[in-house]
Amino acid sequence: EAGVVQSPRYKIIEKKQPVAFWCNPISGHNTLYWYRQNLGQGPELLIRYENEEAVDDSQLPKDRFSAERLKGVDSTLKIQPAELGDSAVYLCASSLSGTSRGGEQFFGPGTRLTVL
Amino acid sequence: DQQVKQNSPSLSVQEGRISILNCDYTNSMFDYFLWYKKYPAEGPTFLISISSIKDKNEDGRFTVFLNKSAKHLSLHIVPSQPGDSAVYFCAASFTSGYSTLTFGKGTMLLVSP
Repeated sequence: EAGVVQSPRYKIIEKKQPVAFWCNPISGHNTLYWYRQNLGQGPELLIRYENEEAVDDSQLPKDRFSAERLKGVDSTLKIQPAELGDSAVYLCASSLSGTSRGGEQFFGPGTRLTVL
Repeated sequence: DQQVKQNSPSLSVQEGRISILNCDYTNSMFDYFLWYKKYPAEGPTFLISISSIKDKNEDGRFTVFLNKSAKHLSLHIVPSQPGDSAVYFCAASFTSGYSTLTFGKGTMLLVSP
């Protein structure tokens, strides 16, 4: 069974440019998470989807970040415009249900974003 | 303010010896704790977990201990192997409602042959 797929794996852009990340969760997983991991830190939740609905986006910087999960499967996270401080690894994870315990979250390999 | 703290950025251990990774938390409402392992250029993978109703959970070479009164948990790896070299993240969550993981900063474990 395929794991969580993310693309691109690496992205280098100049500040003020837009960027988008794509995530395909494990088949059948209803809950999808986007995390940001800064250098030397643990992952921090940006947004969580239960099917198509964003049930927790309290940590998403809404002035420049947006996300969507059309049809409750794939998801896209966008930053526009990017700032230097957005350089980080963006991780996507999925689980069968948002009420499951965290041990059942499966992570993708992440997208490493560098903003110059 | 960090709610989950891993105060040791790195740990070096010889192959065959015990590795002990520590984690402290401040939010007494956390009732489920997890350890994730992360290799370079890969996402974190779930390793072992423990509910707050237990004080120990064992899975092969990995054992997690929970001391609720001290708000402290530890991961023991016995015996340590070179393939265990990775970054280990401690995470905490609540079992009621939607599950959100709060991660520590991680500890890099290096197991030398």
